[in-house]
Amino acid sequence: GAVVSQHPSWVICKSGTSVKIECRSLDFQATTMFWYRQFPKQSLMLMATSNEGSKATYEQGVEKDKFLINHASLTLSTLTVTSAHPEDSSFYICSARDVRSQETQYFGPGTRLLVL
Amino acid sequence: GNSVTQMEGPVTLSEEAFLTINCTYTATGYPSLFWYVQYPGEGLQLLLKATKADDKGSNKGFEATYRKETTSFHLEKGSVQVSDSAVYFCALSGQAAGNKLTFGGGTRVLVKP
Repeated sequence: GAVVSQHPSWVICKSGTSVKIECRSLDFQATTMFWYRQFPKQSLMLMATSNEGSKATYEQGVEKDKFLINHASLTLSTLTVTSAHPEDSSFYICSARDVRSQETQYFGPGTRLLVL
Repeated sequence: GNSVTQMEGPVTLSEEAFLTINCTYTATGYPSLFWYVQYPGEGLQLLLKATKADDKGSNKGFEATYRKETTSFHLEKGSVQVSDSAVYFCALSGQAAGNKLTFGGGTRVLVKP
């Protein structure tokens, strides 16, 4: 149980294009999902908290117009990197918190984005 | 604010050796503590957790005990395998921070046959 999927697993795009990443909780409902960014050999940096049916809460320094988050249902959140640039290349990881257990986050396998 | 400090790696061990990864934390209130493992090219997997003082989390031969008096949650395994090679993250979450996870910097472990 407690499986979180991400799609795509990796994506290569040209500078200036937008990329959408999906995060799904497969066997549980998640009112809250989180989006992280991880640079090589570093820890995870929380970008934003996604709440079902409401606007996402962004961490300080994260551009909300650059990283659009939508949490349309209890099992799906999307992150759209708009007008991507090479510096947006990174490993993006989502996590979901089960409504029945507010303490534990379950992580997706990550999406590797390379912007050329 | 909350913070987690864990020993820097990389930690290189031989198969069947004893592994300890130190983790200490600073937090208000009574946080829950976690160890996550990240295998190469993958996301994080929950390894074990403890939600209150003196709780011991265990999974796949790994153990960690929530020590409030020393604000620590050290990870141990008695006999490591090559398949344990990964990056291990200590983390905490607390109601004061909206149950957001605060991660340590991660410790890379390499087990050689």
